[in-house]
Amino acid sequence: GALVYQYPRRTICKSGTSMRMECQAVGFQATSVAWYRQSPQKTFELIALSTVNSAIKYEQNFTQEKFPISHPNLSFSSMTVLNAYLEDRGLYLCGARAGSYEQYFGPGTRLTVL
Amino acid sequence: QQQVRQSPQSLTVWEGETAILNCSYEDSTFNYFPWYQQFPGEGPALLISIRSVSDKKEDGRFTIFFNKREKKLSLHITDSQPGDSATYFCAASTGYQNFYFGKGTSLTVIP
Repeated sequence: GALVYQYPRRTICKSGTSMRMECQAVGFQATSVAWYRQSPQKTFELIALSTVNSAIKYEQNFTQEKFPISHPNLSFSSMTVLNAYLEDRGLYLCGARAGSYEQYFGPGTRLTVL
Repeated sequence: QQQVRQSPQSLTVWEGETAILNCSYEDSTFNYFPWYQQFPGEGPALLISIRSVSDKKEDGRFTIFFNKREKKLSLHITDSQPGDSATYFCAASTGYQNFYFGKGTSLTVIP
């Protein structure tokens, strides 16, 4: 079946430092990968979307300078949170899409900033 | 403007009852509507989905009813079980475009 792995599951970093998280789609060919942040209130914020043969598109309020993303292919993606501060805390979710419809999420990386 | 709205924000039902979760959307070009189930500490899991060409989708105890004209849909959970207690998110998208999520309905099923 379609699975999406994310690691680490939890991470704690000091304010002003950076941390990297990874996402891997297994069992299907991802046609797009989206990174979201889910707030403590459970609201989803789309950070960026990568689709086949197109550049990574960042949403308003999120920039490549703050959240650089790299992926050799759509089955593997990594994102770094640079200079993390309190407002960056939350559950970072990776969603990989199979075809034009179903999107599968990983378990998320929970970021705590001290 | 919020593209996807959910109601109620929270819902409590007794075990065995039918829970009804509502969702509405703004953009008439949306053609795919998944529902996700999320337990505390976990990522959202795709529960059931429907495309706009259908008005009903059933999978076991979970059924989506879709009204394209009114831009509304609902998730019915029959014979609710305590293990169904979770937050449920309605989402919408068009083709390969990004998803828009509602703010979720927190369901509690009392034994």
